[in-house]
Amino acid sequence: EIVLTQSPGTLSLSPGERATLSCRASQSVSSSYLAWYQQKPGQAPRLLIYGASSRATGIPDRFSGSGSGTDFTLTISRLEPEDFAVYYCQQYGSSLTFGPGTKVDIK
Amino acid sequence: QVQLQESGPGLVKPSQTLSLTCTVSGGSISSGDYYWSWIRQPPGKGLEWIGYIYYSGSTYYNPSLKSRVTISVDTSKNQFSLKLSSVTAADTAVYYCARARWPPFNYFDYWGQGTLVTVSS
Repeated sequence: EIVLTQSPGTLSLSPGERATLSCRASQSVSSSYLAWYQQKPGQAPRLLIYGASSRATGIPDRFSGSGSGTDFTLTISRLEPEDFAVYYCQQYGSSLTFGPGTKVDIK
Repeated sequence: QVQLQESGPGLVKPSQTLSLTCTVSGGSISSGDYYWSWIRQPPGKGLEWIGYIYYSGSTYYNPSLKSRVTISVDTSKNQFSLKLSSVTAADTAVYYCARARWPPFNYFDYWGQGTLVTVSS
């Protein structure tokens, strides 16, 4: 099973700042099979990025994804108040796993 | 607009079987372009994939849960279902159903609102 590690666990930033979230895999992951989600309290996760770098429908362009192999990054260029949430990466290899999440909270 | 809605008991006794159904509206479960999935989230914790089903009945399960999980589909009702046997308190979670796009990518683009299932006597 491929294990995903996300860092940092918590990211404390102010609105307008840039957020850089890391997702590292224990083995190489096909870029096609790496996705990112945003989850707010009491809500289901929302798809942000698929295929490591493709934005899902309706996702603002301040969200971008990059990376390959074992290292992937989600970047939020300028944090808006609604972006404070938990972010999960997800991979599909021989099985499907999620990372433990990064919480982006207000500094 | 595709919508998914989970339904089923919110309380299950230890050692019994948890049963949930997901009703899909706004699209056909038989479209062939998607898989249909169950994902769970224990309170305050992260996400755990349970398994997928295709409209034909083909299934893929999380190896850690495979011995206890059955996912089935009823195309006539546009529904798919989850059964998880021999539950314990560790199975207490919000259970989500979701639509999965696979291949060539692999992601969940539509989710239900989730339903909390508590395992307790």
